[in-house]
Amino acid sequence: DADVTQTPRNRITKTGKRIMLECSQTKGHDRMYWYRQDPGLGLRLIYYSFDVKDINKGEISDGYSVSRQAQAKFSLSLESAIPNQTALYFCATSSGDYGYTFGSGTRLTVV
Amino acid sequence: AQSVTQLDSHVSVSEGTPVLLRCNYSSSYSPSLFWYVQHPNKGLQLLLKYTSAATLVKGINGFEAEFKKSETSFHLTKPSAHMSDAAEYFCVVSDWGGADGLTFGKGTHLIIQP
Repeated sequence: DADVTQTPRNRITKTGKRIMLECSQTKGHDRMYWYRQDPGLGLRLIYYSFDVKDINKGEISDGYSVSRQAQAKFSLSLESAIPNQTALYFCATSSGDYGYTFGSGTRLTVV
Repeated sequence: AQSVTQLDSHVSVSEGTPVLLRCNYSSSYSPSLFWYVQHPNKGLQLLLKYTSAATLVKGINGFEAEFKKSETSFHLTKPSAHMSDAAEYFCVVSDWGGADGLTFGKGTHLIIQP
């Protein structure tokens, strides 16, 4: 099994729908992150969490929310999806000593 | 605040010739620097990282990078390109061990000509 698992791998949804992307990890890391990747823009940080009670906004948090259900689970929600949220989304974990582990990504298309 | 600029959006080289991907960074503190690679329809793979030890960092698949504080640069090189090196490369900077996340450059698309 992968250290960081993202579900679903691909998703097509309609404008206005609520959608949740899930991330789970077996690394035992406290720190978890959500990034989005757009062509020509690299990856940008959406939200990050140091533990269940510590959630922080990243560079582009508008339109997104997160939930840290447990140390191993960190979910990203789009309350009302819009087409410009079409992107590749990555979850990552960190041990805090520069060691990051990325999931395989979720490709989200909003039509 | 930290930032990173990848100076070329696309680089094209012939197989067997050297590769140079350029990256400049800005950081208020003593930064950590990384290079990641993303092959088509794949996730991110760490090539190498600099964390204030040796300034010349060797990574996987024959890549290396040199941290030059005076030039605020962290260029990625490889002596001889291989077809399998064709991918998107990201230069990444982080302060404080990356606790507040990583800051990615916009990427350089490396094309290998046969």
